[in-house]
Amino acid sequence: GQQVMQIPQYQHVQEGEDFTTYCNSSTTLSNIQWYKQRPGGHPVFLIQLVKSGEVKKQKRLTFQFGEAKKNSSLHITATQTTDVGTYFCVTGTASKLTFGTGTRLQVTL
Amino acid sequence: DAGITQSPRHKVTETGTPVTLRCHQTENHRYMYWYRQDPGHGLRLIHYSYGVKDTDKGEVSDGYSVSRSKTEDFLLTLESATSSQTSVYFCAISEQYSSGANVLTFGAGSRLTVL
Repeated sequence: GQQVMQIPQYQHVQEGEDFTTYCNSSTTLSNIQWYKQRPGGHPVFLIQLVKSGEVKKQKRLTFQFGEAKKNSSLHITATQTTDVGTYFCVTGTASKLTFGTGTRLQVTL
Repeated sequence: DAGITQSPRHKVTETGTPVTLRCHQTENHRYMYWYRQDPGHGLRLIHYSYGVKDTDKGEVSDGYSVSRSKTEDFLLTLESATSSQTSVYFCAISEQYSSGANVLTFGAGSRLTVL
């Protein structure tokens, strides 16, 4: 199946700083999804990107899909303590969805 | 809300004992999944089901079996638990959003410790 690598594995920021996580694949992806998992919780769907070069925004979160559809990024502007958690990129079909290893974000005041 | 319930939520067992985790959904979703989550590995697919009695292996299926005799229930069985199966297990269903995206919705998870 498709494999996706996420970087960084962990990032610690101060509240108000920006944060970006990257998802990279060696093969072309049909789509990319992003999920957030709060500490002690379960992953929750954030968004799906399908088109080459697609950019979507959700409040302070900006999601991009690369032109070659081999990478994606999630950028958070002015982080807040509520952004704490692990962010996963996910790709594949309904029968085989593959998770990246995730980026754990810690935000301190 | 997809109405996904996992049971038990926590279990401690000994090596060599059988363990069954249950996932129950209330909305007749066709696809159901079992993932395990371990530090440094993200979520890895164990088995999935695409209908009653229709199941297939994921990337880490060794040591696990599944059954789906009813649409609403998907059981994960560890025939003889090992310490390497200590993990958090998540059940999920796939549902299609109006945007066309096939989205996973997860249960709350089952934490299994094998001593």
